[in-house]
Amino acid sequence: DTGVSQNPRHKITKRGQNVTFRCDPISEHNRLYWYRQTLGQGPEFLTYFQNEAQLEKSRLLSDRFSAERPKGSFSTLEIQRTEQGDSAMYLCASRLAGRSTDTQYFGPGTRLTVL
Amino acid sequence: AQKVTQAQTEISVVEKEDVTLDCVYETRDTTYYLFWYKQPPSGELVFLIRRNSFDEQNEISGRYSWNFQKSTSSFNFTITASQVVDSAVYFCALSEVSSNYQLIWGAGTKLIIKP
Repeated sequence: DTGVSQNPRHKITKRGQNVTFRCDPISEHNRLYWYRQTLGQGPEFLTYFQNEAQLEKSRLLSDRFSAERPKGSFSTLEIQRTEQGDSAMYLCASRLAGRSTDTQYFGPGTRLTVL
Repeated sequence: AQKVTQAQTEISVVEKEDVTLDCVYETRDTTYYLFWYKQPPSGELVFLIRRNSFDEQNEISGRYSWNFQKSTSSFNFTITASQVVDSAVYFCALSEVSSNYQLIWGAGTKLIIKP
């Protein structure tokens, strides 16, 4: 399978705990995006990377959220001191920037439930 | 103002009927891209089509067809002879040069195909 993969697919945690999600993009895709999606809404942009550089962060990304892409391949999204409002689907997407095919391909998402 | 409007929140049709999902967008860029994604109950966003602003040719792919009209800023999606497996939420999205190609999402249309 050469698509975008995300782990875990589901995460249940208690309020106040830290969680970390992983995204493996399509091989050779240099851009990687994180989105959050709540029920009945479209995806909300959180942040994106070009290779290992984090180029943009949304104001939605509070100080409790941090994302990394240390080697320009996989990325992690960590949420510290989770709150019930963090419950959502976290989606990762990748694309190959610089080509005419400007299409983001999405992973299956990680569904987070904060109790 | 919303840049991508999907006025139909939910559509319900009986299997084998044709159905059209509307998408109206707003942009001042001359170069932009329009997308449709499908999100089945499993949650993964599946890319369906990408169209650039210079290509108004309509496209047909099996039972799916897309009608892009710059004059009305619309990019509508038609499913012919709908099937139960088409049941999903469908999102229209826009990316613009001026927004660094970030995806701007519509609110989505939930399509229910009844057997």
